[in-house]
Amino acid sequence: DGGITQSPKYLFRKEGQNVTLSCEQNLNHDAMYWYRQDPGQGLRLIYYSQIVNDFQKGDIAEGYSVSREKKESFPLTVTSAQKNPTAFYLCASGAGTMNTEAFFGQGTRLTVV
Amino acid sequence: AQSVAQPEDQVNVAEGNPLTVKCTYSVSGNPYLFWYVQYPNRGLQFLLKYITGDNLVKGSYGFEAEFNKSQTSFHLKKPSALVSDSALYFCAVRETGFQKLVFGTGTRLLVSP
Repeated sequence: DGGITQSPKYLFRKEGQNVTLSCEQNLNHDAMYWYRQDPGQGLRLIYYSQIVNDFQKGDIAEGYSVSREKKESFPLTVTSAQKNPTAFYLCASGAGTMNTEAFFGQGTRLTVV
Repeated sequence: AQSVAQPEDQVNVAEGNPLTVKCTYSVSGNPYLFWYVQYPNRGLQFLLKYITGDNLVKGSYGFEAEFNKSQTSFHLKKPSALVSDSALYFCAVRETGFQKLVFGTGTRLLVSP
C-alpha cells in the first residue's frame, strides 16, 4: 500500500522536551515537506528537502530541526526552543518537479501538556 | 515571493446549487496552481491543478477550476454541490523556479441539505 505514513497520530509533550515526528514515504519521491497547521492560518512551511542530505528552511523554521539521511524518511524534531508547538503537523512528498502535486500524510497532532 | 489569498473564511451553499470557492495568487513568473480538500483531522487530498494550456481544469469528484491570468485568480467550482462536499478547501501556488508550495488560509465549505 503506497503512500506517506506519519506517526504517531497523537503526541503529547511536556514543556522543555524535544519530540520527533516521523514521516516515511514509499512513493520514490525526491521532495519532502513539513507544514504546520493552525486554525485560521492555513498551512505554513517549516522545512523542505529536494534531495537526500539537503534541506532548506521554510517560513517558520525556528525551533524545529530536520534530517534527510534516506530518501524515504524526513523526521521533524520539535525542540524546546519552539515556544508554541501545539499544532497539527503535516508531512508531504512530491516528485520534485514544478508541475507535480504534493501528497500528504494523515498528520500528527502535537499537544504540549 | 509567491502568495495565495482565499478571501472567504466560509462559503455556505444549499445542496444541488452551484458552488464557487475563490482564490487569487501573486507570483513573479508563471504560476503552477493547485486545489486540495481536507476533512476533519486528516491530511490534504489533491483535487486538481493548473500547469498550462486550457484555462478550465477538471479534477476529482466533479470539481473544476478556472484560471484567469488577467485577474490572477483560480476559483474552484462545482455545478451541483453535495452535502459530502462539506470540508476545508485550500488553494496553493508554486512559482516557476521555486520548489516551495505556498498555501492559502483555507475556506470552509458548508453544504446544507
